[in-house]
Amino acid sequence: GNSVTQMEGPVTLSEEAFLTINCTYTATGYPSLFWYVQYPGEGLQLLLKATKADDKGSNKGFEATYRKETTSFHLEKGSVQVSDSAVYFCALKDNYGQNFVFGPGTRLSVLP
Amino acid sequence: GAVVSQHPSRVICKSGTSVKIECRSLDFQATTMFWYRQFPKQSLMLMATSNEGSKATYEQGVEKDKFLINHASLTLSTLTVTSAHPEDSSFYICSAREDRRSYEQYFGPGTRLTVT
Repeated sequence: GNSVTQMEGPVTLSEEAFLTINCTYTATGYPSLFWYVQYPGEGLQLLLKATKADDKGSNKGFEATYRKETTSFHLEKGSVQVSDSAVYFCALKDNYGQNFVFGPGTRLSVLP
Repeated sequence: GAVVSQHPSRVICKSGTSVKIECRSLDFQATTMFWYRQFPKQSLMLMATSNEGSKATYEQGVEKDKFLINHASLTLSTLTVTSAHPEDSSFYICSAREDRRSYEQYFGPGTRLTVT
């Protein structure tokens, strides 16, 4: 079945540091890939998405590129801020079903 | 953007009682709503999918008689946890989708249930 694997957290960085959160997936066909962010006490918000190979999703300084050859969708940001502290979920949705499959989440803490 | 609300945001109930959680799409009509459960420091696990006017489809291992889902209108779905037990304590999150062809799901803020 479909699955998503993320690097284990927590990840702790200083403000303005470079961020990478690895995400790899297993799926049949050509899924769409997503990153969601969950701030403390809140629900999930869509951060960015990519629907086909080599697409790059970007939003709020975050980027992720859909790499079919490595089945990866790593999240990057060049300079993190304290306000980026949250839990980040990588997710996929295949083209046959209507359900998402979420990774376990990676908690990011950014220190001033 | 599309907004999904949940009520209540937090609820504490006694073991053996039932509790209802509401999920509303505020500015769009949701043909499909999803209910997820999130354990502490873990990912979301899909519990069930409900389409307006039809019975919910439950994921394997989810007891449909314990977690009653009603999607009576295009803007409201409810999850009722019946005969709650402490192990049902969790963060419950709903999401809503406007169009069956769309991948976009809009998530509610979640409801933290504590069963004492």
